[in-house]
Amino acid sequence: AQSVTQLGSHVSVSEGALVLLRCNYSSSVPPYLFWYVQYPNQGLQLLLKYTTGATLVKGINGFEAEFKKSETSFHLTKPSAHMSDAAEYFCAVSPSGFNKFYFGSGTKLNVKP
Amino acid sequence: ETGVTQTPRHLVMGMTNKKSLKCEQHLGHNAMYWYKQSAKKPLELMFVYSLEERVENNSVPSRFSPECPNSSHLFLHLHTLQPEDSALYLCASSQDSRGTYNEQFFGPGTRLTVL
Repeated sequence: AQSVTQLGSHVSVSEGALVLLRCNYSSSVPPYLFWYVQYPNQGLQLLLKYTTGATLVKGINGFEAEFKKSETSFHLTKPSAHMSDAAEYFCAVSPSGFNKFYFGSGTKLNVKP
Repeated sequence: ETGVTQTPRHLVMGMTNKKSLKCEQHLGHNAMYWYKQSAKKPLELMFVYSLEERVENNSVPSRFSPECPNSSHLFLHLHTLQPEDSALYLCASSQDSRGTYNEQFFGPGTRLTVL
C-alpha cells in the first residue's frame, strides 16, 4: 500500500529563516517522489521531483529536497524564506511502473515579516 | 491558451441543478484526471482517462459523470449533488497514464459550492 504523511498541517517561519517541510512515505515498490505548491485560488504547480539518480534534487524558487530511502523521507527545504513562498505544499508519491499519484494532506507555509 | 485550463472557475448550484465542468489541455498529453480537493483532506483522485478510455474510477458516486470526447478535453457532469460535494475540483493531464513516470500538470480548478 502507498501513503504519504506530511507532518504539520501549518508551518510558520520568519522571512529569511530556514524552511523545512516534512514528508514521509510508504511504498511497496521504488517510488517517484514529488513536491507541488499551490497558491491561493490556483492549481498545483510542480516544485521538484525525484525519479532516479542523485538523491538531492533542486527545484524552482530555491527549493530542494533529499530522498532518503532508509528513512522513507523526502523533506523539502529552502535556506531562506521569502514572503512569496507563503502557500500550501503537497508531497506526492507515484510508485514506479504505476500511473497513480498519492498526495499528502498538505502543509500551509506562513512567512512572517 | 497554454497548459491546462478549466471553466468555470467558480460555480454555485442547487442540489437539483445539472451543470458541467470543463477541462482542456494544450500540452499534447494522452491522459487526463479529475481530483477533488476538500478542506483538510488529501487530494482525492476521482477519474483517470488514458487515450479517451476511462482507466480508473475510484468509487465515485454516480451523481458525478465524466466524459472524455478526445485527448484534449475532459468534462465532469454534475447532477443532484449534495452540500458535502462542495470543493475545489482540479483537472490534470500527463503524457501517458500507463508509463513509468508521469508528471502531472494541473489546471487552476473550479470552486464548486452546492447549496
